[in-house]
Amino acid sequence: GIQVEQSPPDLILQEGANSTLRCNFSDSVNNLQWFHQNTWGQLINLFYIPSGTKQNGRLSATTVATERYSLLYISSSQTTDSGVYFCAVDLWESTDKLIFGTGTRLQVFP
Amino acid sequence: DADVTQTPRNRITKTGKRIMLECSQTKGHDRMYWYRQDPGLGLRLIYYSFDVKDINKGEISDGYSVSRQAQAKFSLSLESAIPNQTALYFCATRRDSSGGYTFGSGTRLTVV
Repeated sequence: GIQVEQSPPDLILQEGANSTLRCNFSDSVNNLQWFHQNTWGQLINLFYIPSGTKQNGRLSATTVATERYSLLYISSSQTTDSGVYFCAVDLWESTDKLIFGTGTRLQVFP
Repeated sequence: DADVTQTPRNRITKTGKRIMLECSQTKGHDRMYWYRQDPGLGLRLIYYSFDVKDINKGEISDGYSVSRQAQAKFSLSLESAIPNQTALYFCATRRDSSGGYTFGSGTRLTVV
């Protein structure tokens, strides 16, 4: 089955720093989303981005579908950015199942 | 109000008890899903529904059942809860196969 790998697995930043999270997938995908799971466990939808580039405030994302990867950029990080970031994909031929990546755990310290 | 509402937010129950988790949505989406997350892991699909008459098993449906009471409501039941069903449960909706998923806030279930 498809493999969805994220890197780095863990990231520690000081407030104000920038970071790049990567998601690699092993097969062609129909859709790709980035989620932030905050420290209370809530899963927040950041981007729906099967291809191209999108920006939302301090966050932006780029997906290069032909090369099977996506990047999430966080600029001027804040302590509230802490949590786990997941990318998730579904397949062209899927039974409508969203496949989650391994996650990147981000800790931002003041 | 949230687009996707799950109740309860937290629940502790005893082994062998029947429990129902509820999900309602205001997005008008036809597709609804139940996922489970174990600590340190991503989400896994339990059941999904394309409309009130179309319900499908996901990868980990054993021990669970669902009911799609209306377009907006999708309930997950544990007929006889066991401790390894302790997890964080998420409901999600989606407009169609080309759209993104919207998740509820989750239900943290503990079976003792």
